[in-house]
Amino acid sequence: EAGVAQSPRYKIIEKRQSVAFWCNPISGHATLYWYQQILGQGPKLLIQFQNNGVVDDSQLPKDRFSAERLKGVDSTLKIQPAKLEDSAVYLCASSTGGGATYNEQFFGPGTRLTVL
Amino acid sequence: AQKVTQAQTEISVVEKEDVTLDCVYETRDTTYYLFWYKQPPSGELVFLIRRNSFDEQNEISGRYSWNFQKSTSSFNFTITASQVVDSAVYFCALSVIYNQGGKLIFGQGTELSVKP
Repeated sequence: EAGVAQSPRYKIIEKRQSVAFWCNPISGHATLYWYQQILGQGPKLLIQFQNNGVVDDSQLPKDRFSAERLKGVDSTLKIQPAKLEDSAVYLCASSTGGGATYNEQFFGPGTRLTVL
Repeated sequence: AQKVTQAQTEISVVEKEDVTLDCVYETRDTTYYLFWYKQPPSGELVFLIRRNSFDEQNEISGRYSWNFQKSTSSFNFTITASQVVDSAVYFCALSVIYNQGGKLIFGQGTELSVKP
């Protein structure tokens, strides 16, 4: 079974530029998560999708971050414009998910973003 | 509010020593899950264990063991006879179930260095 795929693995941009990350979850996984992991900290949830719909985006800085999951499969996370404090690893995870239960989340390798 | 605290930022041991990683959590919910993840230098989060709030039995898996104590809100992780390959950042995480599955709330992580 293929794991969660993410691209690019590394990205360096200057502040005020825009950037996009892509995630392909495990086939058949209905729930998709984007986490932000700042150096020296644990991952923090940015947004959670259940199929096409957003379940939780309470910690997504909506003035600059946006995410979509078209057709309930792949997802993209965009930052526009980027700030220095956005430098972090962006992790995508997926699970079979849904309902009032817990399903194991499988994580991708992450995209390391450096904002100069 | 939910919170996970890993007070040990860094631990350094010599190979074959035993080491315990501490985790303390906070939640008012009666149903929740606790996790440990390993993050090697490659960056991908590797799932180690999940416990639900109703199962306080300790668990052993090879050189790994976990001690869950609801009375002290702790979920500690012990590696017996540590090896160099155990060097990584270890995260404890909490998940509280809500309407569409649970998000993971991570601690700050403990960086374990095992020296030969």
